[in-house]
Amino acid sequence: KAGVTQTPRYLIKTRGQQVTLSCSPISGHRSVSWYQQTPGQGLQFLFEYFSETQRNKGNFPGRFSGRQFSNSRSEMNVSTLELGDSALYLCASSLEGLAGELFFGEGSRLTVL
Amino acid sequence: GENVEQHPSTLSVQEGDSAVIKCTYSDSASNYFPWYKQELGKRPQLIIDIRSNVGEKKDQRIAVTLNKTAKHFSLHITETQPEDSAVYFCAARLPHYGGSQGNLIFGKGTKLSVKP
Repeated sequence: KAGVTQTPRYLIKTRGQQVTLSCSPISGHRSVSWYQQTPGQGLQFLFEYFSETQRNKGNFPGRFSGRQFSNSRSEMNVSTLELGDSALYLCASSLEGLAGELFFGEGSRLTVL
Repeated sequence: GENVEQHPSTLSVQEGDSAVIKCTYSDSASNYFPWYKQELGKRPQLIIDIRSNVGEKKDQRIAVTLNKTAKHFSLHITETQPEDSAVYFCAARLPHYGGSQGNLIFGKGTKLSVKP
């Protein structure tokens, strides 16, 4: 069974630009959630999608948004990038959502210059 | 909102010793508490979890205890081995209710080093 796949793995953007990250979940998993990982703040939950609907949301500004498609693939978008958005963005898929085991992808490392 | 405090931030033990990592949470509505292990350069992986209707759970050398009254939960690793060296994250899940969406809050992590 293929694992969670994230693309791109690395990207560099400048302040003010926007970025879209993609996540393909494990086959059969309808829950996809997104996390920001930084050395200072650790792992922070962004949002969770289940069957194309946002079901749970963390404490991030509206510049961070996401969506999920009918095949459960998910995208995350960050608009008007700031230097502080530099981080590793992880997505995870799950059968049970946030109340069950999360299977993480390898992440997309975003650098904002 | 929910807040999760994790201690210690770093922990160094000798191989064969026990290691204990503690987390406290603020919202008594939290009902699911997973622990993830992240080795250097790798993705986090679930090692054990506990739900709010259970006080203790064990899986070989790893155990988790939950004290709902005090709102804290702990990870216990016995007979530590060098391959246990990693960053460990606790988390608390706040379910959605009423008009509020649910959340999953992680502690800031504990870097465990097991010395041979």
